[in-house]
Amino acid sequence: AQTVTQSQPEMSVQEAETVTLSCTYDTSESDYYLFWYKQPPSRQMILVIRQEAYKQQNATENRFSVNFQKAAKSFSLKISDSQLGDAAMYFCAYRAQGGSEKLVFGKGTKLTVNP
Amino acid sequence: KAGVTQTPRYLIKTRGQQVTLSCSPISGHRSVSWYQQTPGQGLQFLFEYFSETQRNKGNFPGRFSGRQFSNSRSEMNVSTLELGDSALYLCASSLDRAHVNTEAFFGQGTRLTVV
Repeated sequence: AQTVTQSQPEMSVQEAETVTLSCTYDTSESDYYLFWYKQPPSRQMILVIRQEAYKQQNATENRFSVNFQKAAKSFSLKISDSQLGDAAMYFCAYRAQGGSEKLVFGKGTKLTVNP
Repeated sequence: KAGVTQTPRYLIKTRGQQVTLSCSPISGHRSVSWYQQTPGQGLQFLFEYFSETQRNKGNFPGRFSGRQFSNSRSEMNVSTLELGDSALYLCASSLDRAHVNTEAFFGQGTRLTVV
């Protein structure tokens, strides 16, 4: 069974600085998708960024980028120029390719942004 | 376009009762998944429905069940409620499997408290 591990229960960053959240996963599949979701206090899960395993290029969405290391099964999220609105729980998630939309989530990292 | 709608937002039930939660997916989305979120266990997959059929099921007891209607709306039911069923229940909808890199859109959840 696939598993996702986020080893940092909490992280903090100063406004305007950069922070990296870690995620590792375990799978025997070669094709899959990886996601970072943000859950603010409103509880709404919002997709931050996604990565297809077959793509070597790391995904980027504005201030958010990932470092995808397929061989190491590592998928970290970098947030640049952190803003107060980035404060939230961040979840790393895995989805197998084809057949199901099931997401396997890590336990999450609570990010605090200090002014 | 309306997002994923979950009703009710909050619910308080007594041990032994049963409860039904509702999820209306984004228009055109045919896949609906349910997740249970608790502080201790994190986000755990309950089940997934596609075109009125259960496509995938998580490791939950038979007290947890669900269904999907022809308009893709989904309900989940929990019978004989236990204190440990207190959680945030999240619903996510996605396009059908032909769109291989689909994004899961989440509702705001139903907060269930069992007393």
